[in-house]
Amino acid sequence: DADVTQTPRNRITKTGKRIMLECSQTKGHDRMYWYRQDPGLGLRLIYYSFDVKDINKGEISDGYSVSRQAQAKFSLSLESAIPNQTALYFCATSDLHGRAYEQFFGPGTRLTVL
Amino acid sequence: DAKTTQPTSMDCAEGRAANLPCNHSTISGNEYVYWYRQIHSQGPQYIIHGLKNNETNEMASLIITEDRKSSTLILPHATLRDTAVYYCIPRGGSEKLVFGKGMKLTVNP
Repeated sequence: DADVTQTPRNRITKTGKRIMLECSQTKGHDRMYWYRQDPGLGLRLIYYSFDVKDINKGEISDGYSVSRQAQAKFSLSLESAIPNQTALYFCATSDLHGRAYEQFFGPGTRLTVL
Repeated sequence: DAKTTQPTSMDCAEGRAANLPCNHSTISGNEYVYWYRQIHSQGPQYIIHGLKNNETNEMASLIITEDRKSSTLILPHATLRDTAVYYCIPRGGSEKLVFGKGMKLTVNP
């Protein structure tokens, strides 16, 4: 089984809808991250969390919110989706006590906002 | 975070060594150089990282120049499965991995 899973893998939604992307991990890592990737570009950090009580904004947090429900779960919400949020979204985890700052990525969620 | 410059793309013959350069002339003393790769829209995969000494693991070798302004990732025997976008990422204490556009490596049969 995959260590970092994301659901759904694909989602098509309409402008103005609220949607949630979910990430779960079985690696026991304390740190989790959400990134987005636009076509032809690298990944950009949206939010990250050191533990369930610690949430931090990344580079492009506007229009997004997150919830760390448990050590193993980190969800990303788009309160009112807009077309320019169409992108590939990745969740990642890391463990400070493992290889220094190596991040492990999930398979991605392809989101289309019409 | 230091800026990086990588070629846009590179080709390599299967079975040959692939040498992927990266310029990071503004790197600061506490920044490591990380390499990740992304195979066709999959999640990025960690390859290797180093500070100033050369490093080798089961996937690749990393050569960092003495002045630390550039580095080269070496895939010793490239296979078709190594075709991917490769990212060179300087990183210090920040949680951020700043992915630039990377370099597309195509391994040809």
